[in-house]
Amino acid sequence: GDSVTQTEGQVALSEEDFLTIHCNYSASGYPTLFWYVQYPGEGPQLLFRASRDKEKGSSRGFEATYDKGTTSFHLRKASVQESDSAVYYCALSDRAGNTGKLIFGLGTTLQVQP
Amino acid sequence: EAAVTQSPRNKVTVTGGNVTLSCRQTNSHNYMYWYRQDTGHGLRLIHYSYGAGNLQIGDVPDGYKATRTTQEDFFLLLELASPSQTSLYFCASSDALGGVSAETLYFGSGTRLTVL
Repeated sequence: GDSVTQTEGQVALSEEDFLTIHCNYSASGYPTLFWYVQYPGEGPQLLFRASRDKEKGSSRGFEATYDKGTTSFHLRKASVQESDSAVYYCALSDRAGNTGKLIFGLGTTLQVQP
Repeated sequence: EAAVTQSPRNKVTVTGGNVTLSCRQTNSHNYMYWYRQDTGHGLRLIHYSYGAGNLQIGDVPDGYKATRTTQEDFFLLLELASPSQTSLYFCASSDALGGVSAETLYFGSGTRLTVL
């Protein structure tokens, strides 16, 4: 079945560091790919999404490019802030099953020190 | 932006207890979902629904029932709660039929359930 793999379980950075969180997926066809962010005490919220090969999604200084060749959708930010501390989830749509549900990776906890 | 409201925010029960978690969405989305979130497991789908009266089984359904009474309301039922069901539960909704927002899930703030 379809799956999402996030390589990093936890990432610790200092303010103004460069961030990369790796996301690789396994799916048939062209799933829509998502990044969600979850702040403490809240539910996950959409950061951005991409639906086609080479499409770039971006929001709040974060960005990721849909790469069908390497089946990846890595999250990057040039300069993180303490307020970016949160859990980040990569996800894909279950197009093959036509269920409308999303399949999530295990999440990456980002901690940014001032 | 879609609004998804969950209640209660926190719930404590004992083993064997009966618990109902409630979710209401006010954007007339057709799809609704129940997820549980646990450290090391991420978000796992319990049940979901395409509309009032419809129920679909998710990936971790054992020990849970669900009911979609209206377009807006989706309930998760634990009839014999066990300590393994201690978790953070999220409800979500989506349009999933097309358009710019299709397939995007909108989550509530969660219900933290503790089973003693």
